[in-house]
Amino acid sequence: GIQVEQSPPDLILQEGANSTLRCNFSDSVNNLQWFHQNPWGQLINLFYIPSGTKQNGRLSATTVATERYSLLYISSSQTTDSGVYFCAGNSGNTPLVFGKGTRLSVIA
Amino acid sequence: DGGITQSPKYLFRKEGQNVTLSCEQNLNHDAMYWYRQDPGQGLRLIYYSQIVNDFQKGDIAEGYSVSREKKESFPLTVTSAQKNPTAFYLCASAWGVEQFFGPGTRLTVL
Repeated sequence: GIQVEQSPPDLILQEGANSTLRCNFSDSVNNLQWFHQNPWGQLINLFYIPSGTKQNGRLSATTVATERYSLLYISSSQTTDSGVYFCAGNSGNTPLVFGKGTRLSVIA
Repeated sequence: DGGITQSPKYLFRKEGQNVTLSCEQNLNHDAMYWYRQDPGQGLRLIYYSQIVNDFQKGDIAEGYSVSREKKESFPLTVTSAQKNPTAFYLCASAWGVEQFFGPGTRLTVL
């Protein structure tokens, strides 16, 4: 099955800094999602992005499907951005496969 | 208010007891999923259902059971056969390919 690798595993940022999180897939996917898990455990949908680029406020994501990777950009980070960021993908009608996540800590 | 609800938020049980976690959605989604998350880890798929009265095992189905009698509901039973049931359990539903999650249930087995 598909393997999903996220990097870096951990990231500590000063408030206001920018960051890039990466997600690599072992095989082609036709569905790719980014999630943010807040400190209470809730997974929040950030982007559904099988290809191309999307932006939502300070967050943006780019997926290069032909090269099997996706990037999540966080600009001007805030303490509320802290948590774990997951990417997940699948192909066809199979369930999503999740990466192990990037744990982000933004310090004031 | 549309969404996915899971209850209870916290659950404590004695070892050897079966326990059922609730997951309800009013989004009219066809597919529903159960995941398990251990501290500091990613999500692992337990069971999923793409249509009423049908479900499939995920990667870690042993010690768990599910039913899908209604489109809105996908309860998960953690049986006494599950060796390490203490974990955070997340339910999700999907319309098409995009998946959405409930708030989760933290199960502690004493």
